[in-house]
Amino acid sequence: ETGVTQSPTHLIKTRGQQVTLRCSSQSGHNTVSWYQQALGQGPQFIFQYYREEENGRGNFPPRFSGLQFPNYSSELNVNALELDDSALYLCASSASSTQNGETQYFGPGTRLLVL
Amino acid sequence: QQQVKQSPQSLIVQKGGIPIINCAYENTAFDYFPWYQQFPGKGPALLIAIRPDVSEKKEGRFTISFNKSAKQFSLHIMDSQPGDSATYFCAASDSNSGYALNFGKGTSLLVTP
Repeated sequence: ETGVTQSPTHLIKTRGQQVTLRCSSQSGHNTVSWYQQALGQGPQFIFQYYREEENGRGNFPPRFSGLQFPNYSSELNVNALELDDSALYLCASSASSTQNGETQYFGPGTRLLVL
Repeated sequence: QQQVKQSPQSLIVQKGGIPIINCAYENTAFDYFPWYQQFPGKGPALLIAIRPDVSEKKEGRFTISFNKSAKQFSLHIMDSQPGDSATYFCAASDSNSGYALNFGKGTSLLVTP
């Protein structure tokens, strides 16, 4: 069974640029959630995708957007990057159709640095 | 607004000690309470989780105690080892929000030899 994978592992961008982060969910999981973790803080929920539709969103501006594909992989896009967007971006997958659908499994994250 | 409050921020114990990390919440709709362990440069890994219909759950050296009336829950690590040195996060979620996790700010644990 393959776990959650994310790419790239590290990324450096400049302010105002756009970035796309990618996530492959764990085998059998149909729900993907994205989180932002600033240095020394707990992860903050960005949004969740279920069956290719956004299924909930945290307190993040519209320049944070996402996609989920038919194979349940997902992308996080951030436009007009700001310095405060520098963080570890985490993807988590879960199997909403099972009894333990609440359990989320995290990938290793993508470390984004905005200069 | 922090929906889950976690303490202490950091903790140092000797090998064999029992570190205890506490969390509190306000939203009574929360019905799932997991704990995650995170090592530097890695994603959080699920340790143990509990639902509010039980007051205690044990898995190996990890125990969650849950007090529904006080809206508090805690993690105990029995016979702690230097390899347990990591950051621990409590979280809470509910089915109405698709189980989106609300995390505490984390506790940095150091277990000395």
